[in-house]
Amino acid sequence: QLQLQESGPGLVKPSETLSLTCTVSGGSISSSSYYWGWIRQPPGKGLEWIGSIYYSGSAYYNPSLKSRVTISVDTSKNQFSLNLSSVTAADTAIYYCARHGSLSSPSKNWGQGTLVTVSS
Amino acid sequence: EIVLTQSPGTLSLSPGERATLSCRASQSVSSTYLAWYQQKPGQAPRLLIYGASSRATGIPDRFSGSGSGTDFTLIISRLEPEDLAVYYCQQYGSSPWTFGQGTKVEIK
Repeated sequence: QLQLQESGPGLVKPSETLSLTCTVSGGSISSSSYYWGWIRQPPGKGLEWIGSIYYSGSAYYNPSLKSRVTISVDTSKNQFSLNLSSVTAADTAIYYCARHGSLSSPSKNWGQGTLVTVSS
Repeated sequence: EIVLTQSPGTLSLSPGERATLSCRASQSVSSTYLAWYQQKPGQAPRLLIYGASSRATGIPDRFSGSGSGTDFTLIISRLEPEDLAVYYCQQYGSSPWTFGQGTKVEIK
């Protein structure tokens, strides 16, 4: 059974870089059938797609965050990662990693999410 | 960017009643690329419906989706207490993917 697990610091200082990793188990991140994405949710608010990546390294970002976001993949560790630079309090959110079938597919598998707070 | 507007914001109904949730898009969305998610308190979203009307694996048949163009609907035919959740629509046909702001379903 596929499982995704987010990990990383729960507290990041303003202007610094938020870094999270999603570890995939029960399936290979190198499968040609899937894309791997990040979605966030500010406390008490709605969902925002951040970006997605294919195992080959091709990444696609939300234009609203593109200048600050990098998503990368490490097939040897079955992981993919999110870096978000120059964070502010507005970046405080639960960050989810997810799997979807293609760039035009919904997210059928989600991690449990991890809360990242931006504060000094 | 396609903006999705959901209504109502909150729906309060009794068990056994029918819930009708609406999702309106700022521009036409192919029905192939419209999904609904259920998010229970403290949990990650769960895919309910994709392609506007196809139920995801394991989703009870009391959940149904319909619609086309700019208007889409999720119906929960007979509410059960465990349906307490926020429901989000999502379009995934046009980048950036976008979500509606959610409809909260409360059980009386």
